[in-house]
Amino acid sequence: NFMLTQPHSVSESPGKTVTISCTGSSGSIASNYVQWYQQRPGSAPTTVIYEDNQRPSGVPDRFSGSIDSSSNSASLTISGLKTEDEADYYCQSYDSSNHGVFGGGTKLTVL
Amino acid sequence: QVQLVESGGGVVQPGRSLRLSCAASGFTFSSYGMHWVRQAPGKGLEWVAVIWYDGSNKYYADSVKGRFTISRDNSKNTLYLQMNSLRAEDTAVYYCARDLRVFGVLWAFDIWGQGTMVTVSS
Repeated sequence: NFMLTQPHSVSESPGKTVTISCTGSSGSIASNYVQWYQQRPGSAPTTVIYEDNQRPSGVPDRFSGSIDSSSNSASLTISGLKTEDEADYYCQSYDSSNHGVFGGGTKLTVL
Repeated sequence: QVQLVESGGGVVQPGRSLRLSCAASGFTFSSYGMHWVRQAPGKGLEWVAVIWYDGSNKYYADSVKGRFTISRDNSKNTLYLQMNSLRAEDTAVYYCARDLRVFGVLWAFDIWGQGTMVTVSS
């Protein structure tokens, strides 16, 4: 089964840049689009990146997504970190059996 | 505004059934595929099921296949999840989510509901 692996947690200081990785277990992660969702405590997820690198309206351009085929991974980069960015972040795609797949989530701490 | 509102959650005994609903408003519901996603307490997100905009295709996570059924009533702008033979491990917040693509499925979620809690316990 296709799996997406994320680091359990990352931390960085306000104003800095942080990158969260999402590595595919098999095949090419570039074969299917990757999305990224932000979830603050007690709230439903919201979309911050879709189709690998597209931002929904209202999401600041401090958020960007990319794909690295050589490492079979996707990345979410947040620049100019703000305390409000502190949240859990999930990558997501789907597999060849028509199953949605989420990464395990990464807790971002802005300290 | 575009909105999804889930209902139907609650406490249920193992082996019993429950039906969740997701009421959509602010967009043309019949044009979009819809998903159910769940989150066990303190855990990550887990995709549960998808239904095409016209109900023609449905797919399920292995963990719920054969027990859960996704359906929709486009005349009522409502998505459903019928959950049978419930287990303790089905305890979670259940979210409905709209797929990004019109008249297809992109496997990307752009609108989420606020979630409804299902607790399976004796």
